[in-house]
Amino acid sequence: DSGVTQTPKHLITATGQRVTLRCSPRSGDLSVYWYQQSLDQGLQFLIQYYNGEERAKGNILERFSAQQFPDLHSELNLSSLELGDSALYFCASSVVGGRDFTEAFFGQGTRLTVV
Amino acid sequence: QKEVEQDPGPLSVPEGAIVSLNCTYSNSAFQYFMWYRQYSRKGPELLMYTYSSGNKEDGRFTAQVDKSSKYISLFIRDSQPSDSATYLCAMSAGRGSTLGRLYFGRGTQLTVWP
Repeated sequence: DSGVTQTPKHLITATGQRVTLRCSPRSGDLSVYWYQQSLDQGLQFLIQYYNGEERAKGNILERFSAQQFPDLHSELNLSSLELGDSALYFCASSVVGGRDFTEAFFGQGTRLTVV
Repeated sequence: QKEVEQDPGPLSVPEGAIVSLNCTYSNSAFQYFMWYRQYSRKGPELLMYTYSSGNKEDGRFTAQVDKSSKYISLFIRDSQPSDSATYLCAMSAGRGSTLGRLYFGRGTQLTVWP
């Protein structure tokens, strides 16, 4: 168990709908990352938050948005869903600070199926 | 062209074999090189990391980085059925604590049969 909790584990929804994925980072981790894993693209970085503020943005669609709350949990909102959004969505967290290497710990993912 | 290229396999070897996995990359700014292991229906977990060029050994696993060739490898000695998983290389241009985003290869699916 990595200590990163993602809910729900599975989600099936129709095209055009909106869903919210939730992530609770490991205790003490200030940084949260969201990744999308699909068969054809592999793991793709979406966005990073650090202590409530957006730190880096990757290949995240405009239909997607995220935020990190004061208690450090994060939510990824996906709207106007398309069939191609079906994928595994992973959240990872890490301690950011100091000089040494900091490992990113991944949750078990949310499997999103858009039908 | 993706920044990190990795042959997805699949790779199937008998128990006890030496396994060689590798990735190439194009971004000279990458400083940290990682190998993650992902079991089916699980999240990736860090196996090893290396900073800059060189070798690192941890039990049956050895990671090698050749920055001049932009090529990294993971060797698994005396492979076991429990090593069956998808192995993903990952890289970062960050320094230490500001590791930031990771750039992943597509992963190589490995099966070790008894």
